[in-house]
Amino acid sequence: GAVVSQHPSWVICKSGTSVKIECRSLDFQATTMFWYRQFPKQSLMLMATSNEGSKATYEQGVEKDKFLINHASLTLSTLTVTSAHPEDSSFYICSVLAGANSYEQYFGPGTRLTVT
Amino acid sequence: GDSVTQMEGPVTLSEEAFLTINCTYTATGYPSLFWYVQYPGEGLQLLLKATKADDKGSNKGFEATYRKETTSFHLEKGSVQVSDSAVYFCALLSGSARQLTFGSGTQLTVLP
Repeated sequence: GAVVSQHPSWVICKSGTSVKIECRSLDFQATTMFWYRQFPKQSLMLMATSNEGSKATYEQGVEKDKFLINHASLTLSTLTVTSAHPEDSSFYICSVLAGANSYEQYFGPGTRLTVT
Repeated sequence: GDSVTQMEGPVTLSEEAFLTINCTYTATGYPSLFWYVQYPGEGLQLLLKATKADDKGSNKGFEATYRKETTSFHLEKGSVQVSDSAVYFCALLSGSARQLTFGSGTQLTVLP
């Protein structure tokens, strides 16, 4: 399967600052990427679907102005948490859809965000 | 809406013990069902899948059978190893959607 990386693997930031998380597909051209959020001992919650060259589609309840997603190339999608607050502390995971007619997703290792 | 309920952990077993992690689902239509595994520090990996009723997915000694009558997809392994220690997620994909619905995950620890 595709190799998907995320950077950074963990980050600590202060309230009010913005943090950018990168998701890279290292050996696969990713037309569609997904961003998930995972709280401790809870399921992965889909935040948004990111399509290369177009605006992301956000799930209900996810603030698009707070969680900015940019998918400018077939190998890179970024999630920027703007004006972060402690309640944004979470584990953020990206995935890559294996193909237009595929159901399989390849997942990155995740990024642990802590907002102090 | 779609939902997945899986057995809460953590589960701790001795090496060579039998493993069952229960998973039940609610979905419209006939979803595809998956088990993902997340090893420490790594991303989720697809462990096995089943796309229609009565299908059995299997990989690395793990098995799960798609039971439409009980809306279940329980994960089993006859003899676990220390290297199986990980978090296991049950998930479903319904209709033409590309969006997975995940269970809450079950932490498995296998002791030598």
